[in-house]
Amino acid sequence: ETGVTQSPTHLIKTRGQQVTLRCSSQSGHNTVSWYQQALGQGPQFIFQYYREEENGRGNFPPRFSGLQFPNYSSELNVNALELDDSALYLCASSHRGTVNSNQPQHFGDGTRLSIL
Amino acid sequence: QKEVEQNSGPLSVPEGAIASLNCTYSDRGSQSFFWYRQYSGKSPELIMSIYSNGDKEDGRFTAQLNKASQYVSLLIRDSQPSDSATYLCAVKKGGGNKLTFGTGTQLKVEL
Repeated sequence: ETGVTQSPTHLIKTRGQQVTLRCSSQSGHNTVSWYQQALGQGPQFIFQYYREEENGRGNFPPRFSGLQFPNYSSELNVNALELDDSALYLCASSHRGTVNSNQPQHFGDGTRLSIL
Repeated sequence: QKEVEQNSGPLSVPEGAIASLNCTYSDRGSQSFFWYRQYSGKSPELIMSIYSNGDKEDGRFTAQLNKASQYVSLLIRDSQPSDSATYLCAVKKGGGNKLTFGTGTQLKVEL
């Protein structure tokens, strides 16, 4: 069984640039969630995608956007990068069978983004 | 008040001892509770999930949930140096997949 994979593993950008991070969900999983983890903090929920639509969003500005593709893979796009965007970006997938599914989420290895 | 609170530690225990990690949450509507282990520089790894009051055991790990007190804990028996990591408590409310995490407790198991 293939787990959640993310690319790239590391990325360095400068302020004002744009970045795209990618995530392939675990086989059989139809829901993808993105999290931002700053150093010394717990992961913070950015948003989740289900059936190619955003389905829940955390307290992040609109310059954080995403996509989900028919094969359930996903992208996180961040525009106008700021220094505070430096963090580990985590993708998690799960299978959402019912509205109140309690399926646990498994994370990919993450993308470490550094903003100079 | 933070939604999920954990003592940041570090919590130091000798090898072979029981490590007790605690977490409180503020939203009484929370329904699902998870413990993740995170080694330095790595992503979180799910180690336990619990959904109803009481204890749930899996190998050396026991998760305990008390919804009335809004408290969830993780016990690690026979602690090993390889258990040294940051342990993240996460809660989920209702449908959807939004997890709310605490800041994590750093555990150090000393020889």
